[in-house]
Amino acid sequence: DVKVTQSSRYLVKRTGEKVFLECVQDMDHENMFWYRQDPGLGLRLIYFSYDVKMKEKGDIPEGYSVSREKKERFSLILESASTNQTSMYLCASRGGGRSDTQYFGPGTRLTVL
Amino acid sequence: SQQGEEDPQALSIQEGENATMNCSYKTSINNLQWYRQNSGRGLVHLILIRSNEREKHSGRLRVTLDTSKKSSSLLITASRAADTASYFCATVRSYNAGNMLTFGGGTRLMVKP
Repeated sequence: DVKVTQSSRYLVKRTGEKVFLECVQDMDHENMFWYRQDPGLGLRLIYFSYDVKMKEKGDIPEGYSVSREKKERFSLILESASTNQTSMYLCASRGGGRSDTQYFGPGTRLTVL
Repeated sequence: SQQGEEDPQALSIQEGENATMNCSYKTSINNLQWYRQNSGRGLVHLILIRSNEREKHSGRLRVTLDTSKKSSSLLITASRAADTASYFCATVRSYNAGNMLTFGGGTRLMVKP
């Protein structure tokens, strides 16, 4: 079974702090994704990566950056956290080829005070 | 903007009844997927239906796809309390780097014992 893990289930940070959210997958997947989920808005794609050191902006990249130094790990960085970044953050991975199915981690609920 | 829109937003039924959720989308698709999310957790892939398929079954799940109406439905038969969750449809869109998923806002299903 594919396993995607996220470093924290719950996180509380203060405005202006730098925040790191970590995601690790164990299936040697090329593609990894970061979403945020907000009530009424569904899942929105922040960034994705299709290979080590490669990244592409999703629909809402403002205020975020990402890092992928190793294939199994994809980090989401909030350079200066703001209250409007309070949300549920979900990481996902997908294999290469024609597969479109994504495998999700359990999520990190981030609160920015 | 969301490609998939689920209807209804919330559904409450008794155990043993069938639950039907609908999804509409805007642009042409290669396939459509349904995911399930238990409260506060990550998403789990349920079923994928390709654009050349009209109906697909998996256990108590039945998915239909009508590409002329740009709509899909997910039917859960003989529902159980454990089916209580949010259900999302997702359509595939193409980026330069590969295929991405666009999620709808979800249907919250409550199955009362």
